[in-house]
Order: sequence, then C-alpha cells, then structure tokens
Amino acid sequence: KAGVTQTPRYLIKTRGQQVTLSCSPISGHRSVSWYQQTPGQGLQFLFEYFSETQRNKGNFPGRFSGRQFSNSRSEMNVSTLELGDSALYLCASSLVSGLSSTDTQYFGPGTRLTVL
Amino acid sequence: AQSVTQLGSHVSVSEGALVLLRCNYSSSVPPYLFWYVQYPNQGLQLLLKYTSAATLVKGINGFEAEFKKSETSFHLTKPSAHMSDAAEYFCAVSLSARQLTFGSGTQLTVLP
Repeated sequence: KAGVTQTPRYLIKTRGQQVTLSCSPISGHRSVSWYQQTPGQGLQFLFEYFSETQRNKGNFPGRFSGRQFSNSRSEMNVSTLELGDSALYLCASSLVSGLSSTDTQYFGPGTRLTVL
Repeated sequence: AQSVTQLGSHVSVSEGALVLLRCNYSSSVPPYLFWYVQYPNQGLQLLLKYTSAATLVKGINGFEAEFKKSETSFHLTKPSAHMSDAAEYFCAVSLSARQLTFGSGTQLTVLP
C-alpha cells in the first residue's frame, strides 16, 4: 500500500505570493492533518480534515487555510507569504477520525517551502 | 492542556551502548503517547505508541518505552545503539489522534 504522498517536495516563493500544497493520504484513510515544522517553533499542528470538513484547527493566522476533497486528498493554502512561513509542511493521514484516540498518524515526506 | 518536554536536545552514544531518550508529559487526562523518528529530509515514522493497554511498549527497530504515570514519563530506550539509529526523535502526546502535540525533539548521534 502506498504511503502518504505530498507534492511538490520543494517550493520557492517570494514574499506576498500565495502557495498551495497537496497531500494524498494512504488509501482508505479519511483523516488528514497538517503540521508546520521550523527550527525555532518545532512541530506545530495546523488543522485536520475529515469528510471534507475541518474538525480541528491550531493557532495559526487566517492566511493558512485548507480543504479536503471527496477522495480524501487535501490541499493547504498560504496566502500573502511571509519570510517566517519558510518551513517543512508535513501532512499525516489516519484511518479513522473520531472516537478512537489511538489511531496512528502516518506522515508524508513533507514539502519544503522557502520564502525569499 | 497538554504538553511534552524532551530533556536533552542532543544525545550522543557509542555504537553498542544503551540509548535513553527522555520524555515527560503533562496532561489533564490519561494521555496517548507516541514516539516518532525523523531521518534527514524525510517525514516522521512511528516507532511506538502507548494507548493504556500495557505500560511497557515495544516498537520497531528494537526500541521500547515505559509509561510511568507517577513520574509522568515515557522514556525511549534501546539496549544497543546502531549507526542507523542516528536521527531526530520526537515524543508526542495526544488526546485525539487528530492532533498531536510534539516535544522539541532530541537529535541522536551514534559514535563509532
């Protein structure tokens, strides 16, 4: 079974631009979560989607948004990019989102975003 | 609120020596705890998870961790380090699989 895939793997943008990152979960997984990883702040939760609905959101400004499609694929968008948005963006999928807190999150390789 | 503290941002061990990576958690309710490993330019790979079934949890690659409620700890150990264990290790706590709260990570170096 294929793992979580993220595209593109690397991206360079300039301040003020917007960017869209894509995540395809493991087949059959319905929950997709996004995380930002930076040297200064570490790994921080962005948001989680299940059945095309955002169910959970971290403490990030409204410039960060996302969506999930009917096939569970997810995209996240960052508008008006700032230098501080440079980070590794990780997507994770899990089989079921809801009652079971033991569901494991499986991570993709990430998208490395550099903002110049 | 929940949080995770990983003691030691860098740990060095000799090949064949014991690996001990420390993790303490804070949670208002019984937590679910995870250890992930991250190799350079890769995502996170699950090593093991604690879900209250057993306090000693065995994971992949010879790693294990023991949940100690009285000490609010979930330290990761491996009896004998291998060069391939060099990576960054993250402890995480979750009240829901949908949102993980990570520690700041421990970079493990294995010396020949």
